[in-house]
Amino acid sequence: AQTVTQSQPEMSVQEAETVTLSCTYDTSESDYYLFWYKQPPSRQMILVIRQEAYKQQNATENRFSVNFQKAAKSFSLKISDSQLGDAAMYFCAYRSAYSGGSNYKLTFGKGTLLTVNP
Amino acid sequence: KAGVTQTPRYLIKTRGQQVTLSCSPISGHRSVSWYQQTPGQGLQFLFEYFSETQRNKGNFPGRFSGRQFSNSRSEMNVSTLELGDSALYLCASSLGSMGEIGYTFGSGTRLTVV
Repeated sequence: AQTVTQSQPEMSVQEAETVTLSCTYDTSESDYYLFWYKQPPSRQMILVIRQEAYKQQNATENRFSVNFQKAAKSFSLKISDSQLGDAAMYFCAYRSAYSGGSNYKLTFGKGTLLTVNP
Repeated sequence: KAGVTQTPRYLIKTRGQQVTLSCSPISGHRSVSWYQQTPGQGLQFLFEYFSETQRNKGNFPGRFSGRQFSNSRSEMNVSTLELGDSALYLCASSLGSMGEIGYTFGSGTRLTVV
């Protein structure tokens, strides 16, 4: 079974600065998808960025980028020019790319609470 | 384009009662999955449906059940409620059958069991 670990329960950053959230995962599979989701106090989980395991190029979405290290099973999220609206709980998630009963799900880490200080 | 709609948003039930939660996915999305979120356990997978078929079920007791209708709308039911069932229940839908482009989540149903 796959596991996802987020070792930083809480992080804080000054507005306009850069912060990196860590995520490691454990899997024996070679093909999978990784996601970062943001959950603000409104509760709705919002997809921030996704990465396909077979794509070596790190994904980027505006101020959000990832550092995907497949061999190290590491998937960190970098937020540049942090804004007050970035304050939220961030979850790292894994999804197998293989079909089959137990693969049809997202496996989440415990989350990192990000505070942005003005 | 409407997002994933979950109803109701809040629910208070008494121990021993049963509850039904509803989820309407984004139009065209045929995959629907459910997650339970609690402060202690985090996000735990409940079920996944695709074209009315349950393809996966998480490690929850038989009191938790669900189904998906032909229009892709989904319901989950919890019978004989326990205090520990108090949680935020999130529904997510996906366009692809493998969730490869990501899942869109609803705002959840906050269930409180007293």
